Amino acid sequence: QSVLTQPPSASATPGQRVTFSCSGGSSNIGSYSVTWYQQLPRTAPKLLIYNSNQRPSGVPDRFSGSKSGTSASLAISGLQSEDEADYYCAAWDDRVNGVIFGGGTKLTVL
Amino acid sequence: EVQLLDSGGDLKHPGGSLRLSCEASGFTFSSYAMIWVRQAPGEGLEWVSGISESGTSTYYANSVKGRFTISRDNYKNTLSLQLNSLRSEDTAVYYCARRVPTYWAFDYWGQGTLVTVSS
Repeated sequence: QSVLTQPPSASATPGQRVTFSCSGGSSNIGSYSVTWYQQLPRTAPKLLIYNSNQRPSGVPDRFSGSKSGTSASLAISGLQSEDEADYYCAAWDDRVNGVIFGGGTKLTVL
Repeated sequence: EVQLLDSGGDLKHPGGSLRLSCEASGFTFSSYAMIWVRQAPGEGLEWVSGISESGTSTYYANSVKGRFTISRDNYKNTLSLQLNSLRSEDTAVYYCARRVPTYWAFDYWGQGTLVTVSS
């Protein structure tokens, strides 16, 4: 059972905007920045967002992140078929003295 | 080009041991903290262990504390994870990854190596 809560699935059509939520607590998201990863089938995760809203070089500006209190969200605009993947949030957690991941949201592009 | 190459995964019996390696290239290895993350079949990501740039600080998930040991060789640009007292629940693909300085975010990942624990 993950300490960070994400909905297990989401779906949208190409061109739409989709948003993923990540809910935590005071020991993690409430105190630290949030990171988002994209994992395509049978591949290693890819860093999408760090410091809650910063994109690494090479990540399209269609991807954006935000944080408020003990929750965070990732938004994808102009959805493309290649965005079909699993999306994970993560943050440091003081209670476990380590990084915790959400359970992941599987995005289906219809 | 930054590259991380994971290796060492194998099939082991419960109670067995294994050593995973991650060979780094394309960057100054000694300037970056490193971590191991695992993913059980069909499951999500789980942080396993982390180590500071110099190797003096190490971190472990409660699920592996006392059984796994992380280490690094900054001369050989290699990260290692020693897995002892293996359990069936340790079955997973193990990824090494590089930490973004200052943030608990990981910008480059290895391709993963599969550890299977089964009798």
